[in-house]
Amino acid sequence: GQQLNQSPQSMFIQEGEDVSMNCTSSSIFNTWLWYKQDPGEGPVLLIALYKAGELTSNGRLTAQFGITRKDSFLNISASIPSDVGIYFCAGQLYKAAGNKLTFGGGTRVLVKP
Amino acid sequence: DVKVTQSSRYLVKRTGEKVFLECVQDMDHENMFWYRQDPGLGLRLIYFSYDVKMKEKGDIPEGYSVSREKKERFSLILESASTNQTSMYLCASSRQPGQGYSPLHFGNGTRLTVT
Repeated sequence: GQQLNQSPQSMFIQEGEDVSMNCTSSSIFNTWLWYKQDPGEGPVLLIALYKAGELTSNGRLTAQFGITRKDSFLNISASIPSDVGIYFCAGQLYKAAGNKLTFGGGTRVLVKP
Repeated sequence: DVKVTQSSRYLVKRTGEKVFLECVQDMDHENMFWYRQDPGLGLRLIYFSYDVKMKEKGDIPEGYSVSREKKERFSLILESASTNQTSMYLCASSRQPGQGYSPLHFGNGTRLTVT
């Protein structure tokens, strides 16, 4: 099946820092999505991207849909402690049956001790 | 607010047992999904359903089956649990999209341990 490579696997943040994570695929997608999972909860949608080259913001979060349609990145500006969690990228093919998604392996964001 | 409820947060079962994981959604969504979450592997789709009594295999269906007798309920069944099925299981639902993308709404997960 399709593979989404997400990096880094984990990162430490210090309050106020900007951080970045990205996702690459061997295949193209028509939609890229970024989800966040807080401890003990299910993932929640942060940003959805529908067009190649699209740059979308949601508060301190910014995500871009790569021109090749095979990659996406997510930036978090001025991190705060509640940014801790696991971030997942996901891709969807146009009209994939049942709204199916392919997920990346996740980026675990932790606070620097 | 959409609510997806998974019946158990934690389950411990023995190898060979038949295990049922239940999921209910309250928003009349057509689509329902079962994923398993393992560190470094992200979320992998086990089965999904886009209508009552309809089911489709996902990427890792082996060792699992599902049942969708009612629109709001989607059950995952481990016919004979094995230790490699120890994992976090996430149920999700979404409406059938008209245009664009229809977000997945996830439950809080069931952490299953098979001993």
